[in-house]
Amino acid sequence: AQKITQTQPGMFVQEKEAVTLDCTYDTSDPSYGLFWYKQPSSGEMIFLIYQGSYDQQNATEGRYSLNFQKARKSANLVISASQLGDSAMYFCAMRELNTGFQKLVFGTGTRLLVSP
Amino acid sequence: DGGITQSPKYLFRKEGQNVTLSCEQNLNHDAMYWYRQDPGQGLRLIYYSQIVNDFQKGDIAEGYSVSREKKESFPLTVTSAQKNPTAFYLCASTSKTNQPQHFGDGTRLSIL
Repeated sequence: AQKITQTQPGMFVQEKEAVTLDCTYDTSDPSYGLFWYKQPSSGEMIFLIYQGSYDQQNATEGRYSLNFQKARKSANLVISASQLGDSAMYFCAMRELNTGFQKLVFGTGTRLLVSP
Repeated sequence: DGGITQSPKYLFRKEGQNVTLSCEQNLNHDAMYWYRQDPGQGLRLIYYSQIVNDFQKGDIAEGYSVSREKKESFPLTVTSAQKNPTAFYLCASTSKTNQPQHFGDGTRLSIL
């Protein structure tokens, strides 16, 4: 069964510094996708970045990058130059691509607090 | 602008009452989903639908029902059989290709 583990309930970072949010996963499907979402206090889920299991390079989207280590089954999110608006919950999620149904499995999330 | 609209934003349910949460999308997505989020936790899948007039149970379907009569709409009914309905409910949709799910702004359901 697919599973996502986020071991950091909370993280603190100072503005303008970089921060890494950890995510490990477990799946027996060789074809899968990994997603990171941001959830501000208002509740909406905002898609940040995607990494496919066969992608040769680590994904990047602006200040977000994904440190994908396939052998270790980890997909850590790196936020560079943190901003106050980055304070939110961050969820890692995985979708197995060979199941015929695009179910997302979420981790329990990491709360990031960016201080001035 | 294309997106997903959930309503209402806040909803209160009395004991023994069924309530329906609305989810409408204009993204022309085939697949739609309902998730439940409890405080301090991730999202858990309630129901999903890949095409009109077809839907499947997710991980925590007991006490919930859905319909998919139109591609754009996927309402969720929280029935009186759901004994602990207080939670944040999120609707999502995606195209059939390998794309991220787009989410609505959510409905917060509480018990009176």
